[in-house]
Amino acid sequence: DAGITQSPRHKVTETGTPVTLRCHQTENHRYMYWYRQDPGHGLRLIHYSYGVKDTDKGEVSDGYSVSRSKTEDFLLTLESATSSQTSVYFCAISESLGAGRATSNYGYTFGSGTRLTVV
Amino acid sequence: GNSVTQMEGPVTLSEEAFLTINCTYTATGYPSLFWYVQYPGEGLQLLLKATKADDKGSNKGFEATYRKETTSFHLEKGSVQVSDSAVYFCALALQQGGSYIPTFGRGTSLIVHP
Repeated sequence: DAGITQSPRHKVTETGTPVTLRCHQTENHRYMYWYRQDPGHGLRLIHYSYGVKDTDKGEVSDGYSVSRSKTEDFLLTLESATSSQTSVYFCAISESLGAGRATSNYGYTFGSGTRLTVV
Repeated sequence: GNSVTQMEGPVTLSEEAFLTINCTYTATGYPSLFWYVQYPGEGLQLLLKATKADDKGSNKGFEATYRKETTSFHLEKGSVQVSDSAVYFCALALQQGGSYIPTFGRGTSLIVHP
């Protein structure tokens, strides 16, 4: 594929437990994103990263935290899972021209998704 | 803020019919525009893109033209196939501060019958 993998692909967890999803890339892209996809809402941005240890919130960040300790890995943690966080989670990466500038010309590459069910 | 509006689906067509999926956007600035396709059980794949006004993106028989005057990027295909059945997402990307943050529409489901 395009060098981006998500793990696990499926997970069922109980309400109140912490959950961590992993996104791993082999493209050395600077920018990484976590989205959730829900019927009627399309894709909504949770958090994104513009470099190692540089992250920022998206539109639906409450209840989620992220970490990026190396270029290739971007972790999404649900601190205390709730049923409203049942969703399909997608990671995406995008290229950078360097010098802190991301290009909008190349689009974004997505992982295959993680289906999370909170019971 | 920035936003993308797509026509609601599902769009149901017979094979070889003409396809149009409407997309309009609101952005503070001059975004790049994209169409993505999502097949069942998979992630989104870039279908085509356009980076400036009047550019036409094309791929696999699909086309979309960046219309700045109408802030639109409608997706078209002259003759759809059953294999085109998928969800299609219109998106824009615009620099905000030091980052490019993509904004997606809600997606339009296309169902093509034989």
